Amino acid sequence: DIVMTQTPHSSRVTLGQPASFSCRSSQDLLHSGGDTHLTWLHQRPGQPPRPLIYKVSRRFPGVPDRFSGSGAGTDFTLKISRVEAEDVGVYYCMQSTEFPRTFGQGTKVEIK
Amino acid sequence: EVQMVESGGGLVKPGGSLRLSCTGSGFTFNTFAMNWLRQAPGKGLEWISSIGPTSDFYIHYADSLRGRFTISRDDAQNSLYLQMNSLRVEDTAVYYCAAGGVEIWGQGALVTVSS
Repeated sequence: DIVMTQTPHSSRVTLGQPASFSCRSSQDLLHSGGDTHLTWLHQRPGQPPRPLIYKVSRRFPGVPDRFSGSGAGTDFTLKISRVEAEDVGVYYCMQSTEFPRTFGQGTKVEIK
Repeated sequence: EVQMVESGGGLVKPGGSLRLSCTGSGFTFNTFAMNWLRQAPGKGLEWISSIGPTSDFYIHYADSLRGRFTISRDDAQNSLYLQMNSLRVEDTAVYYCAAGGVEIWGQGALVTVSS
Protein backbone atom coordinates (compact mmCIF):
# COMPACT_ATOMS: atom_id res chain seq x y z
CA ASP A 1 0.00 0.00 0.00
CA ILE A 2 1.10 3.57 -0.65
CA VAL A 3 1.73 5.43 2.59
CA MET A 4 0.86 9.11 2.62
CA THR A 5 2.64 11.31 5.16
CA GLN A 6 1.56 14.87 5.89
CA THR A 7 3.50 17.56 7.68
CA PRO A 8 3.04 19.40 9.88
CA HIS A 9 0.46 17.58 12.01
CA SER A 10 -0.90 20.96 13.05
CA SER A 11 -0.35 24.56 12.12
CA ARG A 12 -1.40 27.90 13.56
CA VAL A 13 -1.68 30.45 10.80
CA THR A 14 -2.22 34.20 10.67
CA LEU A 15 -5.21 35.69 8.87
CA GLY A 16 -4.18 37.24 5.59
CA GLN A 17 -0.84 35.45 5.55
CA PRO A 18 0.20 32.53 3.33
CA ALA A 19 0.31 28.95 4.54
CA SER A 20 1.58 25.73 3.05
CA PHE A 21 1.27 22.08 3.91
CA SER A 22 3.25 19.11 2.71
CA CYS A 23 2.29 15.61 1.63
CA ARG A 24 4.70 12.83 0.74
CA SER A 25 3.92 9.45 -0.74
CA SER A 26 5.95 6.27 -0.28
CA GLN A 27 5.79 5.62 -4.03
CA ASP A 28 5.72 7.72 -7.17
CA LEU A 29 2.07 8.68 -7.83
CA LEU A 30 2.50 9.01 -11.58
CA HIS A 31 -0.09 6.71 -13.13
CA SER A 32 0.62 4.70 -16.27
CA GLY A 33 -2.00 6.84 -17.98
CA GLY A 34 0.19 9.90 -17.52
CA ASP A 35 -1.65 11.65 -14.69
CA THR A 36 -0.64 11.97 -11.06
CA HIS A 37 -3.67 11.29 -8.91
CA LEU A 38 -3.10 13.37 -5.82
CA THR A 39 -6.14 15.07 -4.27
CA TRP A 40 -6.39 17.59 -1.44
CA LEU A 41 -9.51 17.83 0.73
CA HIS A 42 -10.56 20.19 3.52
CA GLN A 43 -12.78 19.17 6.42
CA ARG A 44 -14.37 21.46 8.95
CA PRO A 45 -15.61 19.96 12.25
CA GLY A 46 -18.88 18.11 11.86
CA GLN A 47 -18.89 18.40 8.09
CA PRO A 48 -18.00 16.02 5.27
CA PRO A 49 -14.71 16.61 3.50
CA ARG A 50 -14.73 19.15 0.70
CA PRO A 51 -12.47 18.40 -2.26
CA LEU A 52 -10.14 21.26 -3.19
CA ILE A 53 -7.50 20.06 -5.64
CA TYR A 54 -7.21 17.05 -7.95
CA LYS A 55 -4.40 15.76 -10.16
CA VAL A 56 -1.92 17.71 -8.03
CA SER A 57 -2.82 21.23 -9.15
CA ARG A 58 -6.33 21.43 -10.63
CA ARG A 59 -8.94 23.20 -8.54
CA PHE A 60 -12.41 21.71 -8.28
CA PRO A 61 -15.23 24.04 -9.40
CA GLY A 62 -16.01 26.69 -6.84
CA VAL A 63 -12.70 26.44 -4.99
CA PRO A 64 -11.20 29.89 -4.41
CA ASP A 65 -8.04 30.66 -6.34
CA ARG A 66 -6.16 31.34 -3.10
CA PHE A 67 -5.76 27.55 -2.96
CA SER A 68 -3.09 26.04 -5.15
CA GLY A 69 -1.42 22.67 -5.40
CA SER A 70 1.97 21.70 -6.73
CA GLY A 71 4.44 18.85 -6.79
CA ALA A 72 5.32 15.69 -8.63
CA GLY A 73 6.46 12.16 -7.99
CA THR A 74 6.35 11.74 -4.23
CA ASP A 75 6.36 15.33 -2.92
CA PHE A 76 3.32 17.59 -2.97
CA THR A 77 2.31 20.92 -1.48
CA LEU A 78 -0.95 22.73 -0.84
CA LYS A 79 -0.65 26.49 -0.54
CA ILE A 80 -3.09 29.09 0.66
CA SER A 81 -2.04 32.51 -0.58
CA ARG A 82 -3.95 34.49 2.07
CA VAL A 83 -5.56 32.57 4.91
CA GLU A 84 -9.17 33.37 5.75
CA ALA A 85 -11.09 32.42 8.89
CA GLU A 86 -13.11 29.79 7.01
CA ASP A 87 -9.91 27.90 6.16
CA VAL A 88 -9.67 26.35 9.62
CA GLY A 89 -10.08 22.61 9.87
CA VAL A 90 -8.14 19.58 8.73
CA TYR A 91 -6.50 19.21 5.33
CA TYR A 92 -6.02 15.73 3.90
CA CYS A 93 -4.11 14.49 0.90
CA MET A 94 -5.25 11.33 -0.83
CA GLN A 95 -3.74 9.22 -3.57
CA SER A 96 -5.94 7.51 -6.14
CA THR A 97 -3.18 6.28 -8.43
CA GLU A 98 -3.71 2.75 -7.23
CA PHE A 99 -5.90 0.68 -4.94
CA PRO A 100 -6.20 0.78 -2.00
CA ARG A 101 -6.79 4.51 -1.94
CA THR A 102 -4.87 5.98 0.95
CA PHE A 103 -4.96 9.22 2.91
CA GLY A 104 -2.47 11.21 4.86
CA GLN A 105 -3.21 11.61 8.55
CA GLY A 106 -4.19 15.23 8.04
CA THR A 107 -2.87 18.67 8.96
CA LYS A 108 -5.00 20.54 11.48
CA VAL A 109 -5.11 24.28 10.84
CA GLU A 110 -6.03 26.88 13.43
CA ILE A 111 -5.95 30.65 13.40
CA LYS A 112 -3.47 32.45 15.65
CA GLU B 1 -28.15 20.58 -7.45
CA VAL B 2 -25.40 17.99 -7.45
CA GLN B 3 -25.67 15.89 -4.32
CA MET B 4 -25.36 12.49 -2.71
CA VAL B 5 -27.78 11.58 0.09
CA GLU B 6 -27.05 8.72 2.44
CA SER B 7 -29.37 6.68 4.58
CA GLY B 8 -29.33 3.53 6.68
CA GLY B 9 -27.03 4.41 9.54
CA GLY B 10 -27.85 3.59 13.13
CA LEU B 11 -27.06 1.53 16.20
CA VAL B 12 -26.31 -2.16 15.76
CA LYS B 13 -25.00 -4.84 18.10
CA PRO B 14 -21.63 -6.51 17.52
CA GLY B 15 -22.04 -9.29 15.00
CA GLY B 16 -25.02 -7.60 13.42
CA SER B 17 -25.59 -6.30 9.90
CA LEU B 18 -26.50 -2.99 8.36
CA ARG B 19 -27.05 -1.76 4.81
CA LEU B 20 -26.17 1.78 3.84
CA SER B 21 -27.67 3.45 0.81
CA CYS B 22 -26.62 6.52 -1.11
CA THR B 23 -28.64 8.22 -3.83
CA GLY B 24 -27.11 10.63 -6.29
CA SER B 25 -28.79 13.44 -8.19
CA GLY B 26 -27.85 16.35 -10.41
CA PHE B 27 -25.22 14.39 -12.32
CA THR B 28 -25.00 11.39 -14.67
CA PHE B 29 -24.75 8.74 -11.97
CA ASN B 30 -23.99 5.79 -14.23
CA THR B 31 -20.84 7.38 -15.64
CA PHE B 32 -19.18 7.85 -12.27
CA ALA B 33 -17.16 5.46 -10.17
CA MET B 34 -18.51 5.30 -6.63
CA ASN B 35 -16.73 5.02 -3.33
CA TRP B 36 -17.39 4.32 0.32
CA LEU B 37 -15.16 5.85 2.97
CA ARG B 38 -15.38 6.16 6.71
CA GLN B 39 -14.11 8.22 9.60
CA ALA B 40 -13.94 6.83 13.12
CA PRO B 41 -14.59 9.32 15.95
CA GLY B 42 -11.70 11.77 16.18
CA LYS B 43 -9.75 9.97 13.47
CA GLY B 44 -8.80 10.51 9.84
CA LEU B 45 -10.36 9.33 6.62
CA GLU B 46 -10.26 5.68 5.57
CA TRP B 47 -11.14 4.33 2.15
CA ILE B 48 -13.38 1.25 2.24
CA SER B 49 -14.38 0.27 -1.27
CA SER B 50 -14.85 1.46 -4.85
CA ILE B 51 -17.03 0.29 -7.72
CA GLY B 52 -16.50 1.37 -11.30
CA PRO B 53 -19.04 2.64 -13.81
CA THR B 54 -20.57 0.17 -16.24
CA SER B 55 -18.16 1.31 -18.95
CA ASP B 56 -15.15 0.39 -16.81
CA PHE B 57 -16.46 -2.01 -14.20
CA TYR B 58 -14.36 -3.00 -11.22
CA ILE B 59 -14.75 -3.58 -7.49
CA HIS B 60 -12.03 -3.07 -4.92
CA TYR B 61 -12.05 -3.38 -1.13
CA ALA B 62 -9.73 -2.49 1.67
CA ASP B 63 -8.01 -5.76 2.63
CA SER B 64 -9.10 -5.45 6.25
CA LEU B 65 -12.79 -5.35 5.26
CA ARG B 66 -12.98 -7.78 2.37
CA GLY B 67 -15.39 -10.59 3.16
CA ARG B 68 -17.51 -8.58 5.60
CA PHE B 69 -18.49 -5.58 3.45
CA THR B 70 -20.07 -5.70 -0.02
CA ILE B 71 -20.45 -2.76 -2.36
CA SER B 72 -23.06 -2.64 -5.10
CA ARG B 73 -24.84 -0.13 -7.29
CA ASP B 74 -28.17 0.19 -9.09
CA ASP B 75 -27.78 2.74 -11.83
CA ALA B 76 -31.50 2.62 -12.65
CA GLN B 77 -32.12 3.98 -9.15
CA ASN B 78 -29.02 6.22 -9.08
CA SER B 79 -28.11 4.34 -5.94
CA LEU B 80 -25.03 2.95 -4.24
CA TYR B 81 -25.09 0.43 -1.42
CA LEU B 82 -22.82 -0.95 1.25
CA GLN B 83 -23.84 -4.18 2.94
CA MET B 84 -21.98 -4.54 6.21
CA ASN B 85 -21.98 -7.90 8.01
CA SER B 86 -20.34 -9.23 11.17
CA LEU B 87 -19.98 -5.70 12.45
CA ARG B 88 -17.43 -4.97 15.15
CA VAL B 89 -17.12 -2.20 17.72
CA GLU B 90 -14.19 -0.83 15.72
CA ASP B 91 -16.47 -0.33 12.70
CA THR B 92 -18.10 2.55 14.55
CA ALA B 93 -17.67 5.56 12.28
CA VAL B 94 -19.30 8.11 10.04
CA TYR B 95 -19.64 6.44 6.64
CA TYR B 96 -19.45 8.59 3.54
CA CYS B 97 -20.29 7.86 -0.06
CA ALA B 98 -18.38 9.80 -2.68
CA ALA B 99 -18.72 9.92 -6.44
CA GLY B 100 -15.99 9.90 -9.01
CA GLY B 101 -12.55 10.81 -7.79
CA VAL B 102 -14.25 11.77 -4.51
CA GLU B 103 -15.45 15.08 -5.95
CA ILE B 104 -19.05 14.66 -4.74
CA TRP B 105 -19.62 13.64 -1.11
CA GLY B 106 -22.64 12.62 0.88
CA GLN B 107 -23.32 14.18 4.26
CA GLY B 108 -22.30 11.03 6.11
CA ALA B 109 -24.18 8.34 8.00
CA LEU B 110 -23.26 7.46 11.57
CA VAL B 111 -22.91 3.76 12.29
CA THR B 112 -22.52 2.82 15.93
CA VAL B 113 -21.66 -0.75 16.84
CA SER B 114 -22.27 -1.32 20.52
CA SER B 115 -23.89 -3.81 22.85
